[in-house]
Parts: sequence; structure tokens; C-alpha cells
Amino acid sequence: QSALTQPASVSGSPGQSITIFCTGTSSDVGAYNYVSWYQQHPGKAPKLIIYDVNNRPSGVSNRFSGSKSGNTASLTISGLQAEDEADFFCSSFTRAYTRIFGGGTKLTVL
Amino acid sequence: QVQLQESGPGLVKPSQTLSLTCTVSGGSINSGGHYWSWIRQYPGKHLEWIGYFYYRGNLYYNPSLKSRLTISIDRSKNQFSLSLSAVTAADTAVYYCARDAVGARGAGGVDYWGQGTLVTVSS
Repeated sequence: QSALTQPASVSGSPGQSITIFCTGTSSDVGAYNYVSWYQQHPGKAPKLIIYDVNNRPSGVSNRFSGSKSGNTASLTISGLQAEDEADFFCSSFTRAYTRIFGGGTKLTVL
Repeated sequence: QVQLQESGPGLVKPSQTLSLTCTVSGGSINSGGHYWSWIRQYPGKHLEWIGYFYYRGNLYYNPSLKSRLTISIDRSKNQFSLSLSAVTAADTAVYYCARDAVGARGAGGVDYWGQGTLVTVSS
């Protein structure tokens, strides 16, 4: 199974909004509404911030939102803050009942 | 609060078998409709799903690792283990155990992660 496709890096200034796209296939992203997003700070384990395309776990800021269209999912972060600077990964459940991750996107807050 | 903790050798020689154990506390691997997972992260940050088992015992492996991989379950100890044979330097990574809540009511995604353990393959 090939990794989901994400941009290597994105950047934005404090207060701005950014969107990270995640492209898969009809066998993963397009198959179910089981796309999730993770934030990872250096030296830490990934943290779930969005599940099932657009749901936030308890305690996650509502500045994070997700959506999906066809085989492409997206994560939008509004009102960028310095603490948002991290790596972000998308992931999807697949038709084979496996899981696949994206290559990761480094967010830089300018 | 579910907690997961990986344990095992941090250094493995090439061609040998990498073995790790995950101990779960605050939740049971025998219930809840969850998948219990192994995931690794390469030094360049890429995440790779290794495999998981459903709480009822169904096993699912990454096709690229299937020939070398075994995930086993010790329900009495609330633990599960990873065994990866014939390792090479390409298997050097941080290995995480985690709970996958895909399809669970009111939850989803990989919602709980261990802290991760670095395994280096080197002679």
C-alpha cells in the first residue's frame, strides 16, 4: 500500500489560516469517512486532532477542522498560533481493513 | 485513561528478530471494539502502520511486512507483542504501540499512543 500524499511543508503567519491536503485513492480516503489527522511535536508521540473526517476529540481546539471530497481530505487550522508549529499527518482506514498514513507535512508559523 | 507502554531491546543485530511488548493499563484489550496496533516512525519522520488485531482476535498485517511479522496477544497480562524477523538497517525506527478506535462509537482514529521506543538495527 502506498502512502497518502501530503505536501512536505506549509507555512503561515500568526492569525492566518492554512489548509493541508491529503490525497489517497478510492481504496482508502475515498472508501470510508475514516480519515484522521495527527499533530506531532518534536520528540513526542503523534496526537489525534481529527477523526472520522471532521470530528475533534475532547480537548482539541476548534481552530482545527477537517473535510473530505472524493479521494482528497483536508485539515484547516485557523487563527494560527506559534504553538501550532509541528508535523501533521493524515491517515485513513482502507478497504483491506488496514491503515495507511501520509508522508507528513511540516507546518512553520512565520 | 488508557495508557500503553512499549518495552524491549533498543539494539538488534542485522538478520536477527526484533521483539517488543506493549503493556496496556486503564483499559482492556479484550473489550471495547478497538484495534490494538503497532506503528513505526522512521528517522525521516514517515509513519508506517505495521499491523493490528481486533479485540476479538482478528489479525491484520501490512502486506509489505507480512512475511516477517507476527503479532501475538497475552490476554491474561493485557499485553500484546511484535516480532519482526530478518531485520536490516531499514527497520531502524521508533516503534509505537497504540489503540485504534476506527469504527468505535463516539471515537475514531488512533486515539491512544505509547511513548515510543527507538530500535536500532546495527552490528
